[in-house]
Amino acid sequence: QKEVEQNSGPLSVPEGAIASLNCTYSDRGSQSFFWYRQYSGKSPELIMFIYSNGDKEDGRFTAQLNKASQYVSLLIRDSQPSDSATYLCEAREGQNFVFGPGTRLSVLP
Amino acid sequence: SAVISQKPSRDICQRGTSLTIQCQVDSQVTMMFWYRQQPGQSLTLIATANQGSEATYESGFVIDKFPISRPNLTFSTLTVSNMSPEDSSIYLCSVAPTDTQYFGPGTRLTVL
Repeated sequence: QKEVEQNSGPLSVPEGAIASLNCTYSDRGSQSFFWYRQYSGKSPELIMFIYSNGDKEDGRFTAQLNKASQYVSLLIRDSQPSDSATYLCEAREGQNFVFGPGTRLSVLP
Repeated sequence: SAVISQKPSRDICQRGTSLTIQCQVDSQVTMMFWYRQQPGQSLTLIATANQGSEATYESGFVIDKFPISRPNLTFSTLTVSNMSPEDSSIYLCSVAPTDTQYFGPGTRLTVL
């Protein structure tokens, strides 16, 4: 069974710090990886995606992919209280979508 | 981007009844997806709704329990049949263009 694992948290960081969110996946056939933010009571919203090994930066967010280790991470620089949410990792192969359980992030003012 | 609406936004239902959830997209899409998100948990894909063909169900989900309609390229319905309290969850529809996935606002279902 294809699985995506994440630490459930909560992960607490002070405002202005770097938050590091991690995700591992079991299916080596997964080709693309997505990070979503989900506020309580709301739907997930895409933050960014990554296909290739290495780093991909978008503003305060950096996604990192290591296919050999089957590991994806999301770094949030200069964390803000508004970043407090649950972060979902998705591993995708074609139209096969597998989500992790999410990591709850709390950014403390 | 895609804008997705769902009806109803929430409902409280009695055990043994059925509820049909509607999903409307503002653009034509080939596939629409239905998910369940149980309290405090992640998203579980129920099925893929294809226009003009039968829905494709994931392991653990069956058509008799979750019948799906897809009458055109912008609309789909999911019915939760013969409900039990274990069906209490948030149900979301989505579309997944390349490199993203857009979700509807969800339908919060409580079964008593």
